[in-house]
Amino acid sequence: EMKLVESGGGVVQPGGSLRLACTASGITVSLNHMTWVRQAPGEGLEWLSTIYSGGNIYYGASVKDRFIVSRDNSKNIVYLQMNSLRANDTAVYFCARDGFCRGGACMDVWGQGTTVTVSS
Amino acid sequence: SSELTQDPAVSVALGQTVRISCQGDSLRKYFPSWYQQKPGQAPRLVMFGKNSRPPGIPDRFVGSDTGNTAYLTVTGAQAGDEADYYCYCRDSDGDHRIFGGGTRLTVL
Repeated sequence: EMKLVESGGGVVQPGGSLRLACTASGITVSLNHMTWVRQAPGEGLEWLSTIYSGGNIYYGASVKDRFIVSRDNSKNIVYLQMNSLRANDTAVYFCARDGFCRGGACMDVWGQGTTVTVSS
Repeated sequence: SSELTQDPAVSVALGQTVRISCQGDSLRKYFPSWYQQKPGQAPRLVMFGKNSRPPGIPDRFVGSDTGNTAYLTVTGAQAGDEADYYCYCRDSDGDHRIFGGGTRLTVL
């Protein structure tokens, strides 16, 4: 069974940092493109970043230069390092596996999400 | 960067057909994927490519497109189809991604 489990969420003060982890089972993160998505309370989905199997990483404009994605192939984990956090970073953060969708992009396996609250 | 535009809400009578739209320039170049999200749950892939469904998604869900607009059609709508639906696509550069704002589907 393919499964993704996010962890590391919590409450952090504005300006602080937090690192989220996405632990995969049944999926080899180094062989797949992995994506981070978030959803602010009552809002829609926002693409944050995709790390390609080859190692290239792309970020959305709202998190570029503040968030950093990495992966630990030996542990089969993808990380999202979040720095300089702001109140509007408050959201549920999901990781997902990119599926094999010819001619486009799709995410076919999702974690359950982890909640990040930025508040003083 | 590009944008994907969706109607905020649509409704459909039980058993009838509804079409959810997603408009954006990147759709001229790439196929979108569509996600169903129910309250408190992670999104679920329901459509990708030209008109492909993941295992377990009924053929009542149909994908189509014309020009810069993609559609997710739900035929014979059921109460369990009530959810938020998001389209998602590669941006014009191919590497970044974008979501539509989402459409809330209400089954009456």
